[in-house]
Parts: sequence; structure tokens; C-alpha cells
Amino acid sequence: LAKTTQPISMDSYEGQEVNITCSHNNIATNDYITWYQQFPSQGPRFIIQGYKTKVTNEVASLFIPADRKSSTLSLPRVSLSDTAVYYCLVGERGSSNTGKLIFGQGTTLQVKP
Amino acid sequence: EPEVTQTPSHQVTQMGQEVILRCVPISNHLYFYWYRQILGQKVEFLVSFYNNEISEKSEIFDDQFSVERPDGSNFTLKIRSTKLEDSAMYFCASSGSSGEQFFGPGTRLTVL
Repeated sequence: LAKTTQPISMDSYEGQEVNITCSHNNIATNDYITWYQQFPSQGPRFIIQGYKTKVTNEVASLFIPADRKSSTLSLPRVSLSDTAVYYCLVGERGSSNTGKLIFGQGTTLQVKP
Repeated sequence: EPEVTQTPSHQVTQMGQEVILRCVPISNHLYFYWYRQILGQKVEFLVSFYNNEISEKSEIFDDQFSVERPDGSNFTLKIRSTKLEDSAMYFCASSGSSGEQFFGPGTRLTVL
């Protein structure tokens, strides 16, 4: 499993765009990049997943450069309720991967009013 | 939207006692997992379960731990003789063929 590195913490203000970058230099060809969000005293929640270029859903965008050695989770116009820990995970997906998720320490995002 | 549920939300027990944590995975999912998170630490994988048997387990999942799917809907984690260091949030998760894991709200286990 590819190791990931992301900032321990970030601060932002309401209404700003937040970009959290994750490094995964040893990503394998079959690996996808997945981001989870965790609020205090709750289970992690899937946000977005991608393989290359850009993926967007109703919650976030995920930017992946051509070499795939990093990725950036972008949260548009954050609110106080986006205060959470954000985890970047790298691994195979789909029927080829129904196995464990390896969580790092994640990035604690604090959104201030 | 279907969700994973867990009971109880909080369990307090005495050291050495057995506890059973219960989970109801999403109904059409076939893969089930338990994770735990000690306060202030990262989420750790315990065990995965498929086709009525353990697929993979971590070093944490020793002989004191067991899992079972006693019927078509429940998935349980049993700790045979709890230790103080078993105090943590325990999360159940399930997934379908897409691999995306859906987590439950967790059970906070406190061992006194």
C-alpha cells in the first residue's frame, strides 16, 4: 500500500476555498486516491475518489496531476460544519479491493467564523 | 439513503468482562469490517469478513477478539475478556463491489 503524507492541520475561514494536498510518491498503477472525512465521535465518511485528472461531485473536487504522485482535495466555500479530519488513502478499488483501509493521521481542518 | 447502524452507542464494562458490539451493515453489501479508534489516535483496521469467514485481520485482532454474522443482517464483534487498553471507538463498515466502505456511527467502549 502506498504511503501518504498530508499536513497535520490547516486553518481557514468561512467562505474560503480550502485545498488539502496529499503526497503519494509510491502510488501503483492500479491504485486509486480516495478521501474520507471524519467529524468528532463519528465514523469516517467517503468524500471522493479518483484515478487521474479531475473529479468533481457535490461536495468536493479532486485534482490529480499526470504523474499521480500527489493529489489535492478542494473544498469550495467552506463553512463551520466542514471542520473535520480529512484522510487521503491510496489503494486499489472496486472488486479487486474489498480489503482494509489504512488511515494515516489525516489533516485536521479548522474553519473559523 | 441506506446506512450502517451500530448498537449500543456507548458500552461501559469492567475489565475482564465479555462484550459484544453489534452492527447492521447495508443490506446488499457483502464485505464487512471492524475498525477501532483510540481517543486522539488514528483509525485502525481490525478485521474484514466475507462469505462467512475472516478475510484479513490485523495484529490487534488477537484470540480475545472474534466476529460473527449470526443471521442475514447482523455482524458482531466480541471481545472475550476486556482490558483497559480496549477502550476505544469501534466502527463497523460494509462495502459492496465498488469497494467504497460505509461506516457506522461507532460504539464507544469504556473499560473500567
